[in-house]
Amino acid sequence: DTEVTQTPKHLVMGMTNKKSLKCEQHMGHRAMYWYKQKAKKPPELMFVYSYEKLSINESVPSRFSPECPNSSLLNLHLHALQPEDSALYLCASSQGVVGTARDTQYFGPGTRLTVL
Amino acid sequence: QKEVEQNSGPLSVPEGAIASLNCTYSDRGSQSFFWYRQYSGKSPELIMFIYSNGDKEDGRFTAQLNKASQYVSLLIRDSQPSDSATYLCAAIRGSYIPTFGRGTSLIVHP
Repeated sequence: DTEVTQTPKHLVMGMTNKKSLKCEQHMGHRAMYWYKQKAKKPPELMFVYSYEKLSINESVPSRFSPECPNSSLLNLHLHALQPEDSALYLCASSQGVVGTARDTQYFGPGTRLTVL
Repeated sequence: QKEVEQNSGPLSVPEGAIASLNCTYSDRGSQSFFWYRQYSGKSPELIMFIYSNGDKEDGRFTAQLNKASQYVSLLIRDSQPSDSATYLCAAIRGSYIPTFGRGTSLIVHP
């Protein structure tokens, strides 16, 4: 089973709202990722959690706040977003073995976010 | 700057033909390579991964890796209209963070 689930599938929010995106995997993977993807562009890495600790933050604005409550769950808290933050937000997971390049990422279905 | 380059296309092939998708990478330390298929509005789906020089076959798909030329390709035999999608190439060096190419759009016409 290589399933990563994400909720919600679609989200529309105003610039003053607070919302959260959720991601879950039960593959025993120890690395989890948040990506942002705009139309006709490749996925853009935002955050990486390794063994439930934040290991990479790609200079993402503080209006995006990640959280990893346990090894299976990853959240992305959203607050005071801008219309240009509208995109497909993808969660991925991998075994996360540091020092090996043989680490396949599996993506969830994504959350389509629209900021009004 | 680690880069993965792909021709954005679109690459148009007739149904039943072989589609050839190409990818070059600049980082000689890259060790593993992945091909993802992405339908419009959907998330990337892993098609194949390859670590060693040579060919790797899985059904209608063949990945080819040439580390000396820093070149990786994906061949799709007997192309079907359902193969029409964007194909993303990704490379990993030593960490587990991939570098993605911009993707090649493939159109298979009946």
